Amino acid sequence: AQTVTQSQPEMSVQEAETVTLSCTYDTSESDYYLFWYKQPPSRQMILVIRQEAYKQQNATENRFSVNFQKAAKSFSLKISDSQLGDAAMYFCAYRRANFGNEKLTFGTGTRLTIIP
Amino acid sequence: EPEVTQTPSHQVTQMGQEVILRCVPISNHLYFYWYRQILGQKVEFLVSFYNNEISEKSEIFDDQFSVERPDGSNFTLKIRSTKLEDSAMYFCASSEPADLAYEQYFGPGTRLTVT
Repeated sequence: AQTVTQSQPEMSVQEAETVTLSCTYDTSESDYYLFWYKQPPSRQMILVIRQEAYKQQNATENRFSVNFQKAAKSFSLKISDSQLGDAAMYFCAYRRANFGNEKLTFGTGTRLTIIP
Repeated sequence: EPEVTQTPSHQVTQMGQEVILRCVPISNHLYFYWYRQILGQKVEFLVSFYNNEISEKSEIFDDQFSVERPDGSNFTLKIRSTKLEDSAMYFCASSEPADLAYEQYFGPGTRLTVT
């Protein structure tokens, strides 16, 4: 079974600084997708960024980028120029690529605090 | 921008009662999901649904749970006889086959409180 591990329950960063959230996963599959979801206090799950395992290039979305290390099964999220609105729980998630309606497997989350 | 909607936003029920949580997925999506999140814990998969059938269910999704797509727009989760441990946030999600990554779009959630 696939597992996703987030070893940092809480992180904090000064506004405008950069922070990196860690995620590791375990799978025997060669093709899959990885995601970072943000959950603000409203509890809505919002997709931040996704990475296809077959792509070597790391995904970027504005201030958000990932460091995808397939061999190490590591998928970290870097947030640059942190803003107060980035404060939230961040969940790393894994999905097999086999079928269209494969489930997402989530990590336990990292609570990010932004210090003004 | 199209979005997944869920009703109600908060449901309070007594133990042993039946509840139905409702979701309206994005209109052109074909794959539907329910997840739950017990307060302070991670999001857990409950069930996936496609072509009017359950595709996969977790061990949490026992005989007390059922899902249905009663018409062309709604997708419901029914808990037949609620337990205290069913108290959680329930998220509906949907995805479309045209998206190779089958990105799942989440609704805002229904907070279920069982007393």
